[in-house]
Amino acid sequence: AQSVTQPDIHITVSEGASLELRCNYSYGATPYLFWYVQSPGQGLQLLLKYFSGDTLVQGIKGFEAEFKRSQSSFNLRKPSVHWSDAAEYFCAVVRSNDYKLSFGAGTTVTVRA
Amino acid sequence: EAGVVQSPRYKIIEKKQPVAFWCNPISGHNTLYWYLQNLGQGPELLIRYENEEAVDDSQLPKDRFSAERLKGVDSTLKIQPAELGDSAVYLCASSSGLASGEQYFGPGTRLTVT
Repeated sequence: AQSVTQPDIHITVSEGASLELRCNYSYGATPYLFWYVQSPGQGLQLLLKYFSGDTLVQGIKGFEAEFKRSQSSFNLRKPSVHWSDAAEYFCAVVRSNDYKLSFGAGTTVTVRA
Repeated sequence: EAGVVQSPRYKIIEKKQPVAFWCNPISGHNTLYWYLQNLGQGPELLIRYENEEAVDDSQLPKDRFSAERLKGVDSTLKIQPAELGDSAVYLCASSSGLASGEQYFGPGTRLTVT
């Protein structure tokens, strides 16, 4: 079985500060990895994805994530957050054998002025 | 390109009443998913369709939930009868195929059962 863990339920960050959201997965083979963002009342929007290749992945809205196989992690980062980045962020994993998407519980990001 | 469309956006019903949710996927997407998202949790898959065939419905509570995707385009998810614990957001997603791994989500239907 596989699981996705997002250790931080809630993070508060000042506007202009850097942000890092943690994600760990448990899966024997290399999974496909995703980060989604969900703003209030909105559906999930894909920020970035990792399938293979370069372990540092660039996404939309200035986000990036780094796949570290040795740590089974896929942490999301942004150098300077904007107030509009306040949302809930979900890490997700797709198993390469059945392509089933499993989500973490999410991290809520609050941006203070 | 239009995204995944869902309706209604909000629904309030009394327990034991039936309810239905509708989803129109992105044009050309053969794979359609229904997810359940409880408050403070990530989405959980209820059912996946490949065209009009339900290929993974192992997480669908079949005693009260049903789904259909006639003609392999639009889909409807139904609950009958609804229970208090069904209050959640129901998300629809679509993709162009499993291999892409990427799913596009609709805005969801927030169901409140009183």
